[in-house]
Amino acid sequence: DSGVTQTPKHLITATGQRVTLRCSPRSGDLSVYWYQQSLDQGLQFLIHYYNGEERAKGNILERFSAQQFPDLHSELNLSSLELGDSALYFCASSVAGAWTGELFFGEGSRLTVL
Amino acid sequence: QKEVEQDPGPLSVPEGAIVSLNCTYSNSAFQYFMWYRQYSRKGPELLMYTYSSGNKEDGRFTAQVDKSSKYISLFIRDSQPSDSATYLCAMSLNTGNQFYFGTGTSLTVIP
Repeated sequence: DSGVTQTPKHLITATGQRVTLRCSPRSGDLSVYWYQQSLDQGLQFLIHYYNGEERAKGNILERFSAQQFPDLHSELNLSSLELGDSALYFCASSVAGAWTGELFFGEGSRLTVL
Repeated sequence: QKEVEQDPGPLSVPEGAIVSLNCTYSNSAFQYFMWYRQYSRKGPELLMYTYSSGNKEDGRFTAQVDKSSKYISLFIRDSQPSDSATYLCAMSLNTGNQFYFGTGTSLTVIP
């Protein structure tokens, strides 16, 4: 158990809908990362938050948005969903101190868009 | 061209074999190189982390980085069925920056 909690584990929805994925980082971790994993693209970096502030953006679509709240949990909002958005969405957190190259990943939220 | 290229496999080896997993990359500014292991239906977990060029050994695992060739490798000695997983390489420009992951190589170790 990495200590990172993601909900929901599975989500099935229709095209055009909006969903929110939630992530609670490990206790004490200030950084939260969101990744999208699909079979053909692998793990794609979406966005990084540090202590409530956006630090870096990857290939995140304009239909997607995220935020990190004062209690450090984070939410990824996906709107106007398309079939191609079906994927596994991972949240990861990292320690605030010495960098070790380690991201602690949750078990992911599997999104299926029908 | 993708930042990081990794052969997806799948790779199937008998128990006890030496496994070699590789990644190539295009950005010469990468300084930090990681290998993550991902079991089915789980999130990736860090196996090894290396800074710049050189070798690093941890038990049955050895990570090699050749920055001149933009090539990294992970060797697994005496492979075990429990090593069956997907192995992802990852790279970073500097600390705290975004990680660039390979697509992963699926490995099966047959008892």
